[in-house]
Amino acid sequence: DVVLTQTPVSLSVTLGDQASISCRSSQSLEYSDGYTYLEWYLQKPGQSPQLLIYGVSNRFSGVPDRFIGSGSGTDFTLKISRVEPEDLGVYYCFQATHDPYTFGAGTKLELK
Amino acid sequence: EVQLVETGGGLVQPGRSLKLSCVASGFTFNNYWMSWTRQAPGKGLEWVASITNSGGSTYYPDSVKGRFTISRDNAQNTLYLQMNSLRSEDTATYYCTRDTMGTLFAYWGQGTLVTVSS
Repeated sequence: DVVLTQTPVSLSVTLGDQASISCRSSQSLEYSDGYTYLEWYLQKPGQSPQLLIYGVSNRFSGVPDRFIGSGSGTDFTLKISRVEPEDLGVYYCFQATHDPYTFGAGTKLELK
Repeated sequence: EVQLVETGGGLVQPGRSLKLSCVASGFTFNNYWMSWTRQAPGKGLEWVASITNSGGSTYYPDSVKGRFTISRDNAQNTLYLQMNSLRSEDTATYYCTRDTMGTLFAYWGQGTLVTVSS
């Protein structure tokens, strides 16, 4: 199975700071069709997860442009510029290139 | 507005069965793949099952293959998860999700908690 390793496990930030989360895959996530099925989700406290980014860098409907996804192959990054209070929670990367589809273990974004 | 409402969770003994339902509204149900994802208490997320829009194909990870069955009734806008031979490690909140634009989990329900314990 593909293992997604997220770092750091937790991240303490001040509101207005930039935050960066890494997701490294044990295999390349580029599918045979050239698409990379790498996504990012945010789970706020007490809520269901919500989709932020799909296809490495595409923001889902309604996601603010301060969320920026990048990367290729096995290395991916989610950057959040100017962290706001509603950005706090646990971030997960997810891959749907290889069966079985797998999530990273999560990165908790909290206030310093 | 897309709405996904899961029901059917509860306390069940190991080895027994349980069937979850997810009623969908706000979109044309038979146009979309649907999936189940779960989260054990205090843990991360795990993909459980997916089904094509027609219901003709289904997909599972090895952890549930042969025990769980995903199905759908497009006339009733309802997704199901039949869970057999339940184990303590199946204890989790189960989420119903809808796909869009090549992503399986664009929309999520509020989840239903399944507890497997004697």
